[in-house]
Amino acid sequence: KQEVTQIPAALSVPEGENLVLNCSFTDSAIYNLQWFRQDPGKGLTSLLLIQSSQREQTSGRLNASLDKSSGRSTLYIAASQPGDSATYLCAVRRSNDYKLSFGAGTTVTVRA
Amino acid sequence: GAVVSQHPSWVICKSGTSVKIECRSLDFQATTMFWYRQFPKQSLMLMATSNEGSKATYEQGVEKDKFLINHASLTLSTLTVTSAHPEDSSFYICSARPPLVRPNTEAFFGQGTRLTVV
Repeated sequence: KQEVTQIPAALSVPEGENLVLNCSFTDSAIYNLQWFRQDPGKGLTSLLLIQSSQREQTSGRLNASLDKSSGRSTLYIAASQPGDSATYLCAVRRSNDYKLSFGAGTTVTVRA
Repeated sequence: GAVVSQHPSWVICKSGTSVKIECRSLDFQATTMFWYRQFPKQSLMLMATSNEGSKATYEQGVEKDKFLINHASLTLSTLTVTSAHPEDSSFYICSARPPLVRPNTEAFFGQGTRLTVV
């Protein structure tokens, strides 16, 4: 069974600081990995999708890396802003279906 | 962009009653939808895969008679929590997979339903 772990569980930084969020998974046989953002009491917004053959993906201030062999992904958020405050979830898709296994998330607070 | 709408966003019901949650894909046909459950500060747990025109596939440990899923059309899946009890109180989220992969996502999520059973 795939286990997805996100460390730290919570993070508080001053505005402007770069954020580094970690995600690890136990089974390297993944099809892809996604990073999501979840605001309190809301659904999920997809941020980045990395295919298993890719090493990283970038979108604006966001950059996600994937090291499939070691079972790790890192989400970098540059120059954080208060609007970045949210919970960030990573999820891996198994190779043989579209089911996602989620981590518990990292709750980020960016202080103005 | 693609939108998945979930209704209601929150509901309070009495113990023993049933509650229906709807998940609609608004601008694409979804042959497959997924239902997740999320407890506070925990990860989303997949409950079942909803397939249009056929029976849902439930994950291990999920009671199919308690969580009834119907996917009667390509744009609508419903989850009915039957004979709800306080332990069923949770945040339920659906997702729908578009027929073609979109940039940076394979599935779109609804806004979630907060169920409170009193």
